[in-house]
Parts: sequence; C-alpha cells; structure tokens
Amino acid sequence: EVQLVESGGGLVQPGRSLRLSCAASGFTFDNNAMHWVRQAPGRALEWVSGVNWNGNNIDYADSVKGRFTISRDNAKNSLYLQMNNLSTEDTALYYCARVEYGGYSQWGQGTLVTVSS
Amino acid sequence: HSALTQPASVSGSPGQSITISCTGTSSDIGGYGYVSWYQQHPGKAPKLLIYNASNRPSGVSNRFSGSKSGNTASLTISGLQAEDEAEYYCNSYTSGSTPWVFGGGTKVTVL
Repeated sequence: EVQLVESGGGLVQPGRSLRLSCAASGFTFDNNAMHWVRQAPGRALEWVSGVNWNGNNIDYADSVKGRFTISRDNAKNSLYLQMNNLSTEDTALYYCARVEYGGYSQWGQGTLVTVSS
Repeated sequence: HSALTQPASVSGSPGQSITISCTGTSSDIGGYGYVSWYQQHPGKAPKLLIYNASNRPSGVSNRFSGSKSGNTASLTISGLQAEDEAEYYCNSYTSGSTPWVFGGGTKVTVL
C-alpha cells in the first residue's frame, strides 16, 4: 500500500524555524518527483515547492522563496521541507504529494504548522 | 488571489451533469497540457481525478471527465451523486516564477 506520512508540524513563534518530513512507502520513491502543497484553514490549496527524482531540479513558490528549502533522501525514502523565518501567513496544513501521471497521485494526511506568538 | 479562476460554487440535482470551469492564461492552461483536477472532502486529503487535462487515473469513476479549450479547462461530473459533494480544485503548470498554481476551489453541492 502506498503511504505518505508527514511529521514535524507544530506551534512555532514568528521568525523561528521548523523542519517537516514526509516518509514514503509502498512505491519506488526515487522514481517520482515530490512536491509540498499547503492549505491554510478554510482556504484553497497552495503549491509550495517541488523536487525532481534525484534532487537536482528544485522549484519554490514566490511566497516561500529564500525562506524554505526542499530536499530528499532517496536512501531513506524521505522528503523534507526546512522552513525558516516563519510568519503567520505560513500557518497551514502541509501535505507532501507524489507526482505521477502529470498530477499528484498520492497525498499524505498532512501536518499542521501554526505560527503564532 | 489565485492565478486560476474557478466559480466559487456549483450545484446540481442527483443524476444531473455539472461542469466546473478553470480559467487561466496562455502562460498556464493555454500554453501547456499539464492541468489536473482534485476532489477534496472536508477534513480529507485531495484526490486526483484528472491529469493532463483529460486523462483519468485507474480507479477514478468514468463519471468524471476533463477537457481543455484555449485558456480554460473544465471538469464535468455526470450522473451527480450525493458523494460528489466536495470541494474541487484545478492545478496547472505555469511559465511564471511560481511554476505550479491551483485554482481557488469550487464547492459542489448536490441538491
């Protein structure tokens, strides 16, 4: 069974950092690009960042560029998102998603990040 | 402000067909075929319904179909059922500085 399990979310003060992880299982992890997508409470989905299969091609949304860093460890079947200088606007449920068929074929259950003083 | 424009809500009676539009520009939907559609029930993760504008993954009901014309993509749900009541999002690749964008979402209500 394909599974994506996010972790690392929590309550953090503005300006602080947090590192999210996504553990993948049930498929050949290094065959797929992986992305992070977030959803603020009651709001629409927002694309955050993506990395290709070997980590050599990375993209970010303008809203997080320079603050967030995506990475992957294929040996550990894991995806990461290092988030620095967090602001209240980063409060959201963060999903990791597997890219397949030109879409996001699998999603995790999400990990909640709350930025508040 | 979402780069892709969707109607806030669409409704229909059981058995009817409804269509959700997703309007972009020549820099996204009009310029590329990488349009996908997702269904999200409250408190759940999104589910892929359509990829590359009109392709359906295995396991997705054939009541869901997608198309694209110019700068607008569309998702049609035929034979509307109560379980189709959910939020629907489109997504596209874009040549902008943020390479992937979602629409603002459409709430589908089954009357």
